[in-house]
Amino acid sequence: DIVMTQSPLSLPVTPGEPASISCRSSQSLLQSNGYNYLDWYLQKPGQSPQLLIYMGSNRASGVPDRFSGSGSGTDFTLKISRVEAEDVGIYYCMQTQQSPLAFGGGTKVEIK
Amino acid sequence: QVQLQQSGPRLVKPSQTLSLTCAISGDSVSSDSSAWTWVRQSPSRGLEWLGRTYYMSKWYHEYGGSVKSRITINPDTSKNQFSLQLNSVTPEDTAVYYCARWGHAPRYFDYWGQGALVTVSS
Repeated sequence: DIVMTQSPLSLPVTPGEPASISCRSSQSLLQSNGYNYLDWYLQKPGQSPQLLIYMGSNRASGVPDRFSGSGSGTDFTLKISRVEAEDVGIYYCMQTQQSPLAFGGGTKVEIK
Repeated sequence: QVQLQQSGPRLVKPSQTLSLTCAISGDSVSSDSSAWTWVRQSPSRGLEWLGRTYYMSKWYHEYGGSVKSRITINPDTSKNQFSLQLNSVTPEDTAVYYCARWGHAPRYFDYWGQGALVTVSS
């Protein structure tokens, strides 16, 4: 089974400043079709998770362009160019290459 | 707009069976473009993918490693819903359980249920 590891566990941020979250997989998520099977989700307090990024770098519908995903193979990054107060919550990466699907442990983003 | 409505007991005794149902509106459990999934969340395990069922000419069922021997996910086409059964529960199965729709292409969860906190306790 593929294991997903995120860092940091906690990320205090200042509004208007950038933020970055790292995600590493135990096996490559890059398939022969050139796509990386890695999603990013945000779970805001008291809510169900919501999709931010799919296939490594594609923003979901309605997601602000301050969110971007990058990386390939086993190393991926989620970046927020300028954090806003509404971005607080827990961010999860998830491998979608093979069953069983697996989430990272989560990164809690909070405002300083 | 797809909506997923979860229902089922919120308190289960140890060694008994946890049962939840997810009613679907705005899509069909028999859709060949979707998979119907259960995910749980607990402080100790974080988000954990439990398994899914989907139809592509026939029904498929896939389950996660930690619960593979105890879990069943079944579709109910007559009621357009799907269910989760987890046998022989222990307090470690206490968690918030979510149902969700998974798209085959592209691959992601786009709709989630509201979540149900299920407590395993005598």
